[in-house]
Amino acid sequence: EAQVTQNPRYLITVTGKKLTVTCSQNMNHEYMSWYRQDPGLGLRQIYYSMNVEVTDKGDVPEGYKVSRKEKRNFPLILESPSPNQTSLYFCASRTLGQGARLDTEAFFGQGTRLTVV
Amino acid sequence: KNQVEQSPQSLIILEGKNCTLQCNYTVSPFSNLRWYKQDTGRGPVSLTIMTFSENTKSNGRYTATLDADTKQSSLHITASQLSDSASYICVVSAEAAGNKLTFGGGTRVLVKP
Repeated sequence: EAQVTQNPRYLITVTGKKLTVTCSQNMNHEYMSWYRQDPGLGLRQIYYSMNVEVTDKGDVPEGYKVSRKEKRNFPLILESPSPNQTSLYFCASRTLGQGARLDTEAFFGQGTRLTVV
Repeated sequence: KNQVEQSPQSLIILEGKNCTLQCNYTVSPFSNLRWYKQDTGRGPVSLTIMTFSENTKSNGRYTATLDADTKQSSLHITASQLSDSASYICVVSAEAAGNKLTFGGGTRVLVKP
């Protein structure tokens, strides 16, 4: 089954304790991205990756890191989490269309609800 | 600045009734427009994708329209069911580096029996 898998689904942590949220897709997609969703706001992009070893900042990258060592995995790293990073996080992947266009369907993971106290 | 505005923010409808959700966008240059359904606590799931040349697309009881001239889209839900209770998100893709998706804030729909 084609899917994007995030882990963990729920996480409560303390300020400053490094954490990693994993994301894996089994569709051989080139493009992967991370979003956060907060009440009253639309999904906002944190980082994205066009392919292995190619990553770039989205709209709200501060306080986050990513890596893309393998095509299927795109972990989100919070080196020193703070309470304002309490949010619902989604990983998504897409294939690149003809001519590297991105007019293709995006598949989202089930989400990771992070609470930083 | 690229923006996507949705209305209403929320609505309540009775089972079996129809409803229409609105989306206005200022994303440029336009690539495509998508509607997603997001159940509470779940990831968004694609309903439709429309490019510049398409002005209507259906997926079961969901019908999306697009007017690229006025930069407006609508999602019509026919004969609503309890399972339609969810947030519906309008997403516009820009024809630019990264083809970034710009998300609307969503419309929360509650279908009551």
